[in-house]
Amino acid sequence: GQQVMQIPQYQHVQEGEDFTTYCNSSTTLSNIQWYKQRPGGHPVFLIQLVKSGEVKKQKRLTFQFGEAKKNSSLHITATQTTDVGTYFCAGRTFGSARQLTFGSGTQLTVLP
Amino acid sequence: SQTIHQWPATLVQPVGSPLSLECTVEGTSNPNLYWYRQAAGRGLQLLFYSVGIGQISSEVPQNLSASRPQDRQFILSSKKLLLSDSGFYLCAWSPTGPNYGYTFGSGTRLTVV
Repeated sequence: GQQVMQIPQYQHVQEGEDFTTYCNSSTTLSNIQWYKQRPGGHPVFLIQLVKSGEVKKQKRLTFQFGEAKKNSSLHITATQTTDVGTYFCAGRTFGSARQLTFGSGTQLTVLP
Repeated sequence: SQTIHQWPATLVQPVGSPLSLECTVEGTSNPNLYWYRQAAGRGLQLLFYSVGIGQISSEVPQNLSASRPQDRQFILSSKKLLLSDSGFYLCAWSPTGPNYGYTFGSGTRLTVV
């Protein structure tokens, strides 16, 4: 079945440093989504990427979808303590329009 | 606007006891509904999803079952809980179609003792 791998599993950064998490799928995706889960909270939808090579920005967050639509990345510039949490990618294949396959997540810790 | 309600927030149950977690969505009709489980510090495991009343698809064979008695109601049940059923249970909904994100409920933290 489809697998979505996400690295790194954990990342500690000093406040102000940049952060990147990577997501790789074993199959071509129709779209990919990103979620953020604060400690003790529930996942919250951040963004969806659909087109090959697509790049979207939300303030300090930059999301990319690979040309082959099998990988994606989330980059945070100048991290802040409010960025703490676990970031999940979630991919949808063309044959499973109803279901997302979530990556294992990257847990980000920002040290003040 | 649409809202999703999930309860209870926390639950401590003895091994062998039954379980019923309820999730309801307001402000939309015919949503896709999902139950996920998250072990401590781990990823999201899809347990069940439903595209309509009475339509349940199971992703992982286990000690749990799900039902959708009404369009906007999704219930997760177990007849006899196991220690391994402990975890964070999340309900989610999405509109019908492939290009929508999921909206998660606030979750239920289940501890089986």
